[in-house]
Amino acid sequence: KQEVTQIPAALSVPEGENLVLNCSFTDSAIYNLQWFRQDPGKGLTSLLLIQSSQREQTSGRLNASLDKSSGRSTLYIAASQPGDSATYLCAVRRGETSGSRLTFGEGTQLTVNP
Amino acid sequence: DAGITQSPRYKITETGRQVTLMCHQTWSHSYMFWYRQDLGHGLRLIYYSAAADITDKGEVPDGYVVSRSKTENFPLTLESATRSQTSVYFCASRTGPSNTEAFFGQGTRLTVV
Repeated sequence: KQEVTQIPAALSVPEGENLVLNCSFTDSAIYNLQWFRQDPGKGLTSLLLIQSSQREQTSGRLNASLDKSSGRSTLYIAASQPGDSATYLCAVRRGETSGSRLTFGEGTQLTVNP
Repeated sequence: DAGITQSPRYKITETGRQVTLMCHQTWSHSYMFWYRQDLGHGLRLIYYSAAADITDKGEVPDGYVVSRSKTENFPLTLESATRSQTSVYFCASRTGPSNTEAFFGQGTRLTVV
């Protein structure tokens, strides 16, 4: 059974700092990995999708990497801003079939202090 | 505005009552999903649908019923609500089986008293 772990559970940093959020998964046979952002009381916003054949994806100040063999992904946030404060979730998808669901980690709660 | 919409956003119901959570998407995505989010468990899949009239169980389907008579709608029904079903429910959609993103609704916070 796939298990996804995110460390740390919470992180507080000063504005402007570069930071890394970690995601690890137990079964390396994944189809893709997706990073989401969740604001309090809100839904999930998709940030980046990395296919199993890719090593990284970039969107603005965000860069996500994937190392399937070691079962790890990192989300790098450059020059953090207070508006980046949210919970960040990673989710892995097992396969291409219709029943292939996302397995989520519990998230890292990020606070960026002005 | 296009997207995926859930209703209601908040609901309080009593134990034993039937309650239906609605999900509507305007993208004509084939795949739709229902997840619940609980502390200590993260998000877990309840049911999913690959197309209209095709549904299947996810990880935690007991006590829930779904239907999908139209591509754009995917309602989730709690037949007889229990306190353990107090949770935040998220509906999601995806275009198809290929490598595409999943998009989530804003969630419905359900409290069973």
